[in-house]
Amino acid sequence: GAGVSQSPSNKVTEKGKDVELRCDPISGHTALYWYRQSLGQGLEFLIYFQGNSAPDKSGLPSDRFSAERTGGSVSTLTIQRTQQEDSAVYLCASSQRRDWSTDTQYFGPGTRLTVL
Amino acid sequence: RKEVEQDPGPFNVPEGATVAFNCTYSNSASQSFFWYRQDCRKEPKLLMSVYSSGNEDGRFTAQLNRASQYISLLIRDSKLSDSATYLCVVNGRGKLTFGQGTILTVHP
Repeated sequence: GAGVSQSPSNKVTEKGKDVELRCDPISGHTALYWYRQSLGQGLEFLIYFQGNSAPDKSGLPSDRFSAERTGGSVSTLTIQRTQQEDSAVYLCASSQRRDWSTDTQYFGPGTRLTVL
Repeated sequence: RKEVEQDPGPFNVPEGATVAFNCTYSNSASQSFFWYRQDCRKEPKLLMSVYSSGNEDGRFTAQLNRASQYISLLIRDSKLSDSATYLCVVNGRGKLTFGQGTILTVHP
């Protein structure tokens, strides 16, 4: 079946502009996660959504970052007033989340963001 | 101290070699553990989960030692296609924490 999809695959923007990144999770997956991977760095957790519960935003690096998930499916990650240090690959993952202790997350191909 | 620590490598091994990667984690409350594989400029993909009893999937064997907070991955009979970055991943109530990754290059 279809995996996690993300758009755009690449985004180049100017410093100070706002960007929106989109994630379509696997159909039927209730949990959705955002991570980012900076050049030469490991993956960094940003935020996760589980059903109708309040999202866990503990990984968002600043108040310029926000995310929403509409209708329990598609999610949008918004970065306002982008800075050069925001340049990274932003990865979305989803899971069935029946039991978090054995939960398996499946990743999308990512959006490569470059802030000039 | 990082939550999940791995030897970054790189490991350069010939085809057919056996190679082992190690990982330590700091949060004793962590509940589940995984190895992911990431190819260059690609997303991470689940390689295998890691269970306390140890588990094997073909040429790959994973071990978990909760007392020492230590995870390992053994790859036997390495193939060229095993060349990738191997990520040690710890699940803390749904939030994955990734190690920096260990780079493996298998050469002819």
